[in-house]
Amino acid sequence: TQLLEQSPQFLSIQEGENLTVYCNSSSVFSSLQWYRQEPGEGPVLLVTVVTGGEVKKLKRLTFQFGDARKDSSLHITAAQPGDTGLYLCARNTDKLIFGTGTRLQVFP
Amino acid sequence: DSGVTQTPKHLITATGQRVTLRCSPRSGDLSVYWYQQSLDQGLQFLIQYYNGEERAKGNILERFSAQQFPDLHSELNLSSLELGDSALYFCASSLSDSPLHFGNGTRLTVT
Repeated sequence: TQLLEQSPQFLSIQEGENLTVYCNSSSVFSSLQWYRQEPGEGPVLLVTVVTGGEVKKLKRLTFQFGDARKDSSLHITAAQPGDTGLYLCARNTDKLIFGTGTRLQVFP
Repeated sequence: DSGVTQTPKHLITATGQRVTLRCSPRSGDLSVYWYQQSLDQGLQFLIQYYNGEERAKGNILERFSAQQFPDLHSELNLSSLELGDSALYFCASSLSDSPLHFGNGTRLTVT
C-alpha cells in the first residue's frame, strides 16, 4: 500500500521550462525527504524538510513542506536535461517509505 | 559514488531457482536496508538490519530472507523464484537514522 501519492506520474518538458511536482498523504509526516534517481543508479537524497511551511532551496530546485505537514512540492526553475530522472518523496516512520514517483524528461 | 556496493549488477535465472544478492554498506554505517523496485510497484521496502539484528520488516515474501553478518555486509536470499520477482533490488545503508545511501542495485531477471 502506497501512503504517498505523487503527481504527475510522468512529465516531459523542454529545456528552460518550469515545473512543479507534488507529494501528498492523508497522514501527517514528522519529516519528508526528496530523492532523485537517474537511470542505472540508486536514489540520491536531495533534501529533508522537517517544519510545516518550511521552504528549502537547492540551486534551481525549491522544496516546500505544507503547513499541515501532509504534503510537499518540488519546483524546478529553468529545467535542464541534467534534471532528467525519477523524483521520489519519502517519509520516515520506523522505515523509509517512498512515494509513487514522478518521472521527468527534459528535452534540449 | 555512494560507498554502498552491490553485487552482482545483473542476474538472469530461471523460475524455481534460488539466488543471493550481496551488499557492502558504507564504511561506518550500521544499518542496511533492502528495497525492491519494479515498474508497476515503485520502490518497496523489504527489510532493515541494524548491527546484525533485524529492525524493521516490510512487504517481504516468505520466499525471501536476509541477514547481516558481523562485518556488517548483508545478503538477500530469494528462493523459488517466479517471473514476478524480476525487478531491481537496492541496498541502502545509514548510520543510525541518518539519510540513506543507496547502491546501484542488482537487476534480477527471472525467465
